[in-house]
Amino acid sequence: AQSVTQLGSHVSVSEGALVLLRCNYSSSVPPYLFWYVQYPNQGLQLLLKYTTGATLVKGINGFEAEFKKSETSFHLTKPSAHMSDAAEYFCAVSDSGGGADGLTFGKGTHLIIQP
Amino acid sequence: EAQVTQNPRYLITVTGKKLTVTCSQNMNHEYMSWYRQDPGLGLRQIYYSMNVEVTDKGDVPEGYKVSRKEKRNFPLILESPSPNQTSLYFCASSLWGGELFFGEGSRLTVL
Repeated sequence: AQSVTQLGSHVSVSEGALVLLRCNYSSSVPPYLFWYVQYPNQGLQLLLKYTTGATLVKGINGFEAEFKKSETSFHLTKPSAHMSDAAEYFCAVSDSGGGADGLTFGKGTHLIIQP
Repeated sequence: EAQVTQNPRYLITVTGKKLTVTCSQNMNHEYMSWYRQDPGLGLRQIYYSMNVEVTDKGDVPEGYKVSRKEKRNFPLILESPSPNQTSLYFCASSLWGGELFFGEGSRLTVL
């Protein structure tokens, strides 16, 4: 069985500061890892994903995440926060190679940007 | 424009009154799924469908039904809604091995 733990239900950073959202996973097979973002009153959209290959993955809006197998982690970072980054972020794991059957979500982290 | 469309977006109903939330996608995706989102619990899968006439239970299927008679549509049916089904519901679809596309959500309140 696979699971995802997101550390911190709420994270607050100042505008221009580093954003770090933590995600740890457990999976019995090599995982496929995802970060989704949910803006207010909208559905989820894919930020980035790791399938195979390079462990540092770049996504949209300046976000990136690094897959660390030894730490079973897939933390999301952005060097400089912008007010428009305020949203809910979900980490997800799959053992089936994509968005279909088997995607397990974390409980989400609400990112707050302080002016 | 590629999209997943859910209706209604907002609904207030009473206990026991049957309702259906529709979901339609225009991307010819095989896979469709329903999730509910609750504060502190993240997204939990209700039902999913791998293709027409193929559906299966997710993590929290109790109190819900689905059908997949056409590839593009995957309605969620609450035969006898109860207050614990008050939630934000999302439909999603994808090709096999592809990105999951989400609808904008349907906020349901059961009184």
